[in-house]
Amino acid sequence: DAKTTQPPSMDCAEGRAANLPCNHSTISGNEYVYWYRQIHSQGPQYIIHGLKNNETNEMASLIITEDRKSSTLILPHATLRDTAVYYCIVRVVGAGNMLTFGGGTRLMVKP
Amino acid sequence: GAGVSQSPRYKVAKRGQDVALRCDPISGHVSLFWYQQALGQGPEFLTYFQNEAQLDKSGLPSDRFFAERPEGSVSTLKIQRTQQEDSAVYLCASSLEQGRGNEQFFGPGTRLTVL
Repeated sequence: DAKTTQPPSMDCAEGRAANLPCNHSTISGNEYVYWYRQIHSQGPQYIIHGLKNNETNEMASLIITEDRKSSTLILPHATLRDTAVYYCIVRVVGAGNMLTFGGGTRLMVKP
Repeated sequence: GAGVSQSPRYKVAKRGQDVALRCDPISGHVSLFWYQQALGQGPEFLTYFQNEAQLDKSGLPSDRFFAERPEGSVSTLKIQRTQQEDSAVYLCASSLEQGRGNEQFFGPGTRLTVL
């Protein structure tokens, strides 16, 4: 699977939008972009995924560039409970479905 | 609705002991995964089951690691003759169906400390 590059850490003010970038310049045409997050002492939690169109759900929005080489996860109104490590993963559906986690971005939401 | 549960949540073992870690996936989930997460790092894939069949065990670090899911629901990860480098959080995840891009639901993990 293609690898991803994320900044190791980011800060965000409570109530503001958190924009987490991810580069996946070698992504293949059949690979999806997934985002998970891991709050301290918990297992990872699925947030959202997409192929090429922008996606939105109750947790977040996912913006994928037209060339699919990068994406941004947007938490529209960050709260203190959004403090976590956010993982961007690219994944071929059907290849055993394993997730290949990188280092992720540690997001700190500050009051 | 119950999520994925794992037991024990914490396990301390002396070097050389055998340990068994249990995972109860979400009822009806076909796929089950085990991951290992070292301190400060992202989870790493260990093995994958589709129902009772172990289809991928390429991530198991040595032959001391063994996983089973005999009836296609509960799974056990066994580590024989534990070593200090086995200290990690062991995460279990389940998903509804293979090949559909379905999300994986993770349990809280078992933190194993080998002294």
